[in-house]
Amino acid sequence: EVQLVESGGGLVQPGGSLRLSCAASGFTFSTYSMNWVRQAPGKGLEWVSYISTGSGTIFYADSVKGRFTISRDNAKNSLYLQMNSLRAEDTAVYYCARDEGWLSYWGQGTLVTVSS
Amino acid sequence: QPVVTQSSSASASLGSSVKLTCTLSSGHNKYIIAWHQQHPGKAPRYLMKLEGSGSYNKWSGVPDRFSGSSSGADRYLTISNLQFEDEADYYCETWDSGWVFGGGTKLTVL
Repeated sequence: EVQLVESGGGLVQPGGSLRLSCAASGFTFSTYSMNWVRQAPGKGLEWVSYISTGSGTIFYADSVKGRFTISRDNAKNSLYLQMNSLRAEDTAVYYCARDEGWLSYWGQGTLVTVSS
Repeated sequence: QPVVTQSSSASASLGSSVKLTCTLSSGHNKYIIAWHQQHPGKAPRYLMKLEGSGSYNKWSGVPDRFSGSSSGADRYLTISNLQFEDEADYYCETWDSGWVFGGGTKLTVL
């Protein structure tokens, strides 16, 4: 069974940093591109970042470019999102999602709250 | 980059059918899209991939009541024999150097 489990969310002050993790199981992680997608409270889905299987291709949404860094460790079946210079508008549930030309599996999400 | 537009809400009666629309911006009418369903407080669930030709591939476990179709820049998700459990938010997405989501349609089953 495919499982994606996010962790690392929490309350952080504006300007602070947080590192999210996504632990994958039930499939060969190294053969799938991965994404982070977020959803602000009461709002729609917003794509955040994409990383290819070997980390050679990475994309970011304009809203996070220069502040967020996506990475992966195929040996540990894990995906990461380093978030720096956090703003109130980054408050959201962050989902990791498996990519196979569409977002086929989603984790349950981890809540990030940016507030003083 | 494409813009994806969805109506904010839709409603239909139990047992009836509803057709949700996802519209691609000008110049992007051949793009493939995917439909997702999201219940309140839950993660999104992938439903199907839908091509501009109208051909669609449903994900494993998606009921036969769900189908897709296309016309020009419009991509449709039709749900037949509506059930209360179909009440959810529905999102379409497409790809262009990053995933682009529509704003979502909140479906109410009356």
